[in-house]
Amino acid sequence: GQNIDQPTEMTATEGAIVQINCTYQTSGFNGLFWYQQHAGEAPTFLSYNVLDGLEEKGRFSSFLSRSKGYSYLLLKELQMKDSASYLCAVKDSNYQLIWGAGTKLIIKP
Amino acid sequence: DAMVIQNPRYQVTQFGKPVTLSCSQTLNHNVMYWYQQKSSQAPKLLFHYYDKDFNNEADTPDNFQSRRPNTSFCFLDIRSPGLGDAAMYLCATSRDKEPSEQYFGPGTRLTVT
Repeated sequence: GQNIDQPTEMTATEGAIVQINCTYQTSGFNGLFWYQQHAGEAPTFLSYNVLDGLEEKGRFSSFLSRSKGYSYLLLKELQMKDSASYLCAVKDSNYQLIWGAGTKLIIKP
Repeated sequence: DAMVIQNPRYQVTQFGKPVTLSCSQTLNHNVMYWYQQKSSQAPKLLFHYYDKDFNNEADTPDNFQSRRPNTSFCFLDIRSPGLGDAAMYLCATSRDKEPSEQYFGPGTRLTVT
């Protein structure tokens, strides 16, 4: 079966750095996405990786290793507004998006 | 601004009473998706349309139907809602099927009484 694993919940301090890991086992691979979802709202797109390596976008970076079936989302200079769930999703060989359950990130002052 | 719009944002229906949720998009995207998301769970894909081609997920209950009368609009019909159908329903679009990001509407939170 297809599976995406990420931690259920993480806590970090305002101004710090946090890394959210995602491992996947899917039928084929056509890219990995990270989305941010605030409570009661829709997911919003953060990043996309299809090749190995690091993609940087301001305070957020995303890393991919296809051989290891592994990605992480790195958030720097954490702000209170970063408190949200972060969902990892992989497009399989049929271009279906397989979603993880999300990591709830709690930021403390 | 180009966007995905869902109406209503909150919907309350009675057990067994049919309900329709609507989604419209101004992005002119080919693909439209309906997801169901329950608290602290991953979004669950119910259907998607690639243009007019309808794709039903194997485990989507028969109670759920969908219509896409034109490029801009898509509807989710729940014929006989049960208590277990209470959830957030998310509509999303993507330009095409190949790797491209999905744009989500704000969602409709459905309550079944």
